Amino acid sequence: QQPVQSPQAVILREGEDAVINCSSSKALYSVHWYRQKHGEAPVFLMILLKGGEQKGHEKISASFNEKKQQSSLYLTASQLSYSGTYFCGTRVYNQGGKLIFGQGTELSVKP
Amino acid sequence: DAGVIQSPRHEVTEMGQEVTLRCKPISGHNSLFWYRQTMMRGLELLIYFNNNVPIDDSGMPEDRFSAKMPNASFSTLKIQPSEPRDSAVYFCASSFRRRPYEQYFGPGTRLTVT
Repeated sequence: QQPVQSPQAVILREGEDAVINCSSSKALYSVHWYRQKHGEAPVFLMILLKGGEQKGHEKISASFNEKKQQSSLYLTASQLSYSGTYFCGTRVYNQGGKLIFGQGTELSVKP
Repeated sequence: DAGVIQSPRHEVTEMGQEVTLRCKPISGHNSLFWYRQTMMRGLELLIYFNNNVPIDDSGMPEDRFSAKMPNASFSTLKIQPSEPRDSAVYFCASSFRRRPYEQYFGPGTRLTVT
């Protein structure tokens, strides 16, 4: 039931782009993206509620394909501050407010 | 505005001892979540409350774990007796009814059971 994220880790140079994928075996009601810096708590980035919806947060955007039960997070022109572990949290139908988190994608942005 | 407050921040205890973790959600938030994070299992939801009522406790690993929310501003997660495999970072998070899926996490309690 845990969504699968890919890649597990990615290393970028400042200014490069990256895509993080999240896929589920269950029909999804919504997808939630969080970022966690080392030794800190996860921080909410965005929520996607409808199929095909796209949202943005600074230079970070995401899409949600409800039919494919997938979401992708796009990081454009990455900055050093983007480093951290990115988690997708999925909410499936008929499970109330419960979020199931993927295993995380560790992103390192180097100067 | 103060965020979610958790105490203690670090706890080291011996196997068999009782451990109580505490959480104060953001004022006005009506949902509260307890998570556990380990390298092996990632971020797992243990239990969540709406308006102080437990809604889903299917993630609580064993009867050794219990959680309470006696009022809107306080929750506890208790482990009795503790075991080394309980070692993890325990996060509390809260959310507001109008934005129920935007969860605000506390700083976490790092629990080490020896």
